[in-house]
Amino acid sequence: KAGVTQTPRYLIKTRGQQVTLSCSPISGHRSVSWYQQTPGQGLQFLFEYFSETQRNKGNFPGRFSGRQFSNSRSEMNVSTLELGDSALYLCASSPGQGGSTEAFFGQGTRLTVV
Amino acid sequence: LAKTTQPISMDSYEGQEVNITCSHNNIATNDYITWYQQFPSQGPRFIIQGYKTKVTNEVASLFIPADRKSSTLSLPRVSLSDTAVYYCLVGPAYSSASKIIFGSGTRLSIRP
Repeated sequence: KAGVTQTPRYLIKTRGQQVTLSCSPISGHRSVSWYQQTPGQGLQFLFEYFSETQRNKGNFPGRFSGRQFSNSRSEMNVSTLELGDSALYLCASSPGQGGSTEAFFGQGTRLTVV
Repeated sequence: LAKTTQPISMDSYEGQEVNITCSHNNIATNDYITWYQQFPSQGPRFIIQGYKTKVTNEVASLFIPADRKSSTLSLPRVSLSDTAVYYCLVGPAYSSASKIIFGSGTRLSIRP
């Protein structure tokens, strides 16, 4: 069974640009969550989707948005990039409606904003 | 969610058994204890989850005393490839991902 796939793995963007990251969950998993990881703040929850609906959102500005498609694939978008948005963005999928503390993470997308 | 406290870093040598202890004094009745491993520039990987006593899988063992206020992740005969950050999480087994809170973790360094 294929794991969680995130694309691209690495990305360099300029301040003010926007970026879209993609996540394909494990087949059959319907819950997808996104996290931002930085050395200073650690791993922080961004948002969670289940069956194309956003269930929860973390404490991030509106520049961060996401969506989930009918095949459970998810995208997150960051607009008007700032230097502080440089981070490893991780996607995790879970099988059930209620999520699970046994989440399966992708390898992440390393975003660098210059 | 219950707050967890674990050592910031630990060092050990290849072939040794490593025990990482996590303190969670405010653990709730329906909370489980879950450990993740993370290598640099990769996503965390689930290692083990337990509720009480002892759980063992092919990777590690998890020891939980009767009061459940702490837990110990035991890695038998570590190798260099076990160098990683280990996170202890406490929460309901099935809950929103927004409630999966990763602390600072324990940075484990294995030397030859």
